[in-house]
Formats: sequence, C-alpha cells, structure tokens
Amino acid sequence: QVQLVQSGAEVKKPGASVKISCKASGFTFNSFYMHWVRQAPGQGLEWMGRINPSGTSSSYAQQFRGTVTMTRDTSTNTVYMELRSLTSDDTAVYFCATKKGLDGSNYFEYWGQGTLVNVSS
Amino acid sequence: DIVMTQSPATLSVSLGERATLSCRASQSVRSNLAWYQQKPGQAPRLLIYGASTRATGIPARFSGTGSGTEFTLIISSLQSEDFAVYYCQQYDDWPLFGQGTKLEI
Repeated sequence: QVQLVQSGAEVKKPGASVKISCKASGFTFNSFYMHWVRQAPGQGLEWMGRINPSGTSSSYAQQFRGTVTMTRDTSTNTVYMELRSLTSDDTAVYFCATKKGLDGSNYFEYWGQGTLVNVSS
Repeated sequence: DIVMTQSPATLSVSLGERATLSCRASQSVRSNLAWYQQKPGQAPRLLIYGASTRATGIPARFSGTGSGTEFTLIISSLQSEDFAVYYCQQYDDWPLFGQGTKLEI
C-alpha cells in the first residue's frame, strides 16, 4: 500500500535551517508530484509548494519563495524540503502529501505522518 | 487571490444527527474543491474531491455538493468517529485551504 514516511522531529535555533525527508513506497515514485503542507500549533493547513516527478521543477507558495527548497532523490524514492532562516513562526508540523496520477489536480489523497519542527532560542 | 471561507467555525451536533458544513470561495473554483477530516495528532484524511466524489474507503454518509463559489459537506448521520476538524481546499489555482470547521458533540 502507499506509504509516506517522514523523518523525525527537529529542534532548531532562530536563523538556522531544517531539512525534512519523506520516503515513498507502494507506488511508482516518478509518476506523481509531491507537495508540502504545514500546520502551526492550533492553526489550519498551509500549502508550501510542490516538486515535479523528475525533480527538475518546483513551484512554491509566494510566502515561501526564497526560503524553501524542495528536492527529490529518485534512486531512494525520497523527497526533501529545506526551510532556511527559521523564525518562531516556522514552528509547525510539516506534512508531505501527494496523489496518484499526473492530471494536474492538486489535492492530496496520501499524507506523511508529519514532522514537528520547533524553532526556539 | 482566492480566499476560502468556512462556516461555521464550530458546529455542535448530536450523535445520529445531520451536519452541514459550508465553504465559500471568493471567486469561482469550478468543481476543483476537496474536503478533508483531521483528528488531533493525525494527518488530514481526504474525504471528497471534485466537489462531490468520495475518496476511496469513505463512508456513504459523507457527501459533497456545489460548484463555482459555494460548497457544502454533509454528514448524514453523525457517528462518534466523525467529530473532528474539517477543511475545504480549492485546487483550481495553487492549493489553498479554508480555516476549518470544528465539529463537536
């Protein structure tokens, strides 16, 4: 079955960077886009961006341009999300999410378990 | 920019009753609307996509209607496991979620 398994929780200082991984199994890795969505404590869901199946192109939400980079390692079926210049506002649970197929519909039928990033001095 | 507005913020309903959750888009998103359920400490779960198509394994008591700017999620007979936060999400443009509706007993 489809599984997205994310790396563990992180504690970072303000100004630092964090890189989270998301390993996919159970489906053809190069046939889907991978998205990242975050959720601050007690808040709603915020889409951050996506990376294409080959890893050659990414699209980021306006508020994250310049601070986020999404990459993809097709040899290990793993996607990465790096967020730089962290502030306390980046404290959140970060999810990878995807759906099967390449029809361009950006909704999410599969989710990782989430990775908590705590930014604190 | 599209704005997604969900109402009410909190909905109190009894077991076995019907729940109606609303989602409004500030401009037409056609039928590119999904609904999710999220329980504490869990990832969201896709319920509905294409405004009205149930995702795999979703019980028939969940139904979605609407197109354009007005959408509704109906849970026909609430079960105990349905009490959660529900989010709508448009994908006519880059994904954008509503702020959520908390469904409580």
